[in-house]
Amino acid sequence: EPEVTQTPSHQVTQMGQEVILRCVPISNHLYFYWYRQILGQKVEFLVSFYNNEISEKSEIFDDQFSVERPDGSNFTLKIRSTKLEDSAMYFCASSYLQETQYFGPGTRLLVL
Amino acid sequence: AQRVTQPEKLLSVFKGAPVELKCNYSYSGSPELFWYVQYSRQRLQLLLRHISRESIKGFTADLNKGETSFHLKKPFAQEEDSAMYYCALSYTGGGNKLTFGTGTQLKVEL
Repeated sequence: EPEVTQTPSHQVTQMGQEVILRCVPISNHLYFYWYRQILGQKVEFLVSFYNNEISEKSEIFDDQFSVERPDGSNFTLKIRSTKLEDSAMYFCASSYLQETQYFGPGTRLLVL
Repeated sequence: AQRVTQPEKLLSVFKGAPVELKCNYSYSGSPELFWYVQYSRQRLQLLLRHISRESIKGFTADLNKGETSFHLKKPFAQEEDSAMYYCALSYTGGGNKLTFGTGTQLKVEL
C-alpha cells in the first residue's frame, strides 16, 4: 500500500539556521498539507497546497515558512530562520481529493 | 472559529470492557468529523469518518449535531486498541484543513 514518506526522521539545527523538511506524498494525490505538533500539544494545521499554490495557511505559517513542490514527487517545507519555538514534530499529509488525508511518519525538529 | 475538545487525556479500561472516547466540537456550519489513531511509534492513520458510517476494528462513532459530539465507542476493548486517539474536524471552504483535539491516550489493561 502506498505511503507518505518524510525525510529526515530527525533534524537538529541551531537557532537562526534554515531547514528544509522533505515529503514524498502518495503519487496520485493532488492535495498536500503540513501540520506540526509541539511536544505535549495538539496537532496544528500549517498549510495546504493544491495546483502549485497555497490554498490555505494558518496564522502560524508566517513569512519564515514556505512550501514548494519542486518536481512531480517532492513537497517541501522550508523554515528560513529557525527559532527555539519551532521545535516540534512536523507531519506531511496528502489526499487525492478533499477527503481522507494520509499522514507521513513525521520529522522531529529540534532547534538549539 | 472551529474547535475540537477531547476532555480526557488518559482513559484506562480493562480488556473486554466498553470504551467511550469523548469528542465535542464547535463549528457553526456542517463539519465533517474524523477519528485518527496513532499506535506506538507509528503514523497517524484514519480510523473512521462520520460520513462513511463504517465500523472499523469494532469502533463506531455517531455524529450528534444537537450535542455537537462525535464520541468513539467500542463494546469490548482489546489490548491492541491501546493507542492515542485524535478527534478532528474539517469543513467545506476550509481548504480541507483538519482541526485536531488534544488527543486521548487509551490504555487497555489485562
